[in-house]
Amino acid sequence: QSALTQPASVSGSPGQSITISCTGPSSDIGDYKAVSWYQQHPGKAPKLLMYDVSNRYSGISHRFSGSGSASRASLTISGLQADDEAYYYCYSYTRGTSAGAFGGGTKLTVL
Amino acid sequence: EVQLVESGGGLVKPGGSLRLSCAASGFRFSGAWMCWVRQAPGKGLEWVGRIRSKTDGGTVEYAAPVKDRFTISRDDSKNSLYLQINSLKTEDTATYYCTTWNYWEYYFDSWGQGTLVSVSS
Repeated sequence: QSALTQPASVSGSPGQSITISCTGPSSDIGDYKAVSWYQQHPGKAPKLLMYDVSNRYSGISHRFSGSGSASRASLTISGLQADDEAYYYCYSYTRGTSAGAFGGGTKLTVL
Repeated sequence: EVQLVESGGGLVKPGGSLRLSCAASGFRFSGAWMCWVRQAPGKGLEWVGRIRSKTDGGTVEYAAPVKDRFTISRDDSKNSLYLQINSLKTEDTATYYCTTWNYWEYYFDSWGQGTLVSVSS
């Protein structure tokens, strides 16, 4: 499974919404693929935000949401806050196989 | 509360070996599928490998770049996960994270704080 493509950086002002995309061949995203999203603050371990494309993990703010299609998954953060400034990674796993890959990561800057 | 604490990292010369450990607590370790994920300095995340619970066969799977040099094992009596790294290369320099793997929904749910492995002559 090839690495997934994410924008290197995105930015937004407090209160705004941003969307981070995660793209790849339709064989890497879409049917039978479980996409999850992780947030990583500098010097810290990654933290699970979303799983199975659009399911919010326990304790994660409703400001975070996920969506997906055949070849693209997206993470949307609404009502941006200063603490949202971090790196975000998508991960796609193919059900029924052992194949999985991370996206290259996106740095979110809150202006 | 789930806790994963990695140890064993350090500075090693190319060609050397290292054994990383991950001490788990706060959950039933013996039933958990566990993974190692690494992150080179300033780079993204890279899945290293996964070990199933013994109940599920104890099978180990590795990422292609490491499968000939890395060995993942577990000791359920000690609630511990291990990563043996042989023939270390400079490109193995990274922070190594121990994670739990949710095998129903396919995600890494809990992460340790990581241990840094530096390979340099």
